[in-house]
Amino acid sequence: KNEVEQSPQNLTAQEGEFITINCSYSVGISALHWLQQHPGGGIVSLFMLSSGKKKHGRLIATINIQEKHSSLHITASHPRDSAVYICAVTSSNFGNEKLTFGTGTRLTIIP
Amino acid sequence: DAGITQSPRHKVTETGTPVTLRCHQTENHRYMYWYRQDPGHGLRLIHYSYGVKDTDKGEVSDGYSVSRSKTEDFLLTLESATSSQTSVYFCAISEASGDTEQFFGPGTRLTVL
Repeated sequence: KNEVEQSPQNLTAQEGEFITINCSYSVGISALHWLQQHPGGGIVSLFMLSSGKKKHGRLIATINIQEKHSSLHITASHPRDSAVYICAVTSSNFGNEKLTFGTGTRLTIIP
Repeated sequence: DAGITQSPRHKVTETGTPVTLRCHQTENHRYMYWYRQDPGHGLRLIHYSYGVKDTDKGEVSDGYSVSRSKTEDFLLTLESATSSQTSVYFCAISEASGDTEQFFGPGTRLTVL
């Protein structure tokens, strides 16, 4: 069983739609990370959060510690948002130096 | 962008040969990580370093060794490459432990024939 589960695995939407990607985890965490990987491979850190909500441009990340759940939202989606979005956590269960990753959500935005 | 490079970017090798991948950073970050990424598995930690000459194993360390003789360089060695080590390898760096942001290198695509 993967300690970090993402849903959906694949998501296709029309340009302009509001997008939600979910991440659930099964252990106590010290931080949760959202990463973006475009076709061609580069991985970029979007957010790191341990409580509440963060916003950067059209991206919003929220976390509910009690429910062990985080969401990544994209408003007014655009084809350039097409990428794989990866959730990862750090936890004392795994050693706080290390990230444990979900398998990613592949997002495709159709013009 | 964080100054982190990987070399080579692509490599094709044969089973049984040794392979060394290099990660180089210009950020003076303490922590460095090697991951592999495979379809259906996501990113998995191979080894990491928390300082010069200080390294530890990750979840998929068998068949791999690492060395860090300078802050800026972290080497990953496959002593005798196998086809199961065909993968994309990413290096990452962070200032402190896992609850700080990690910055990733561009990746190395390794094919073992």
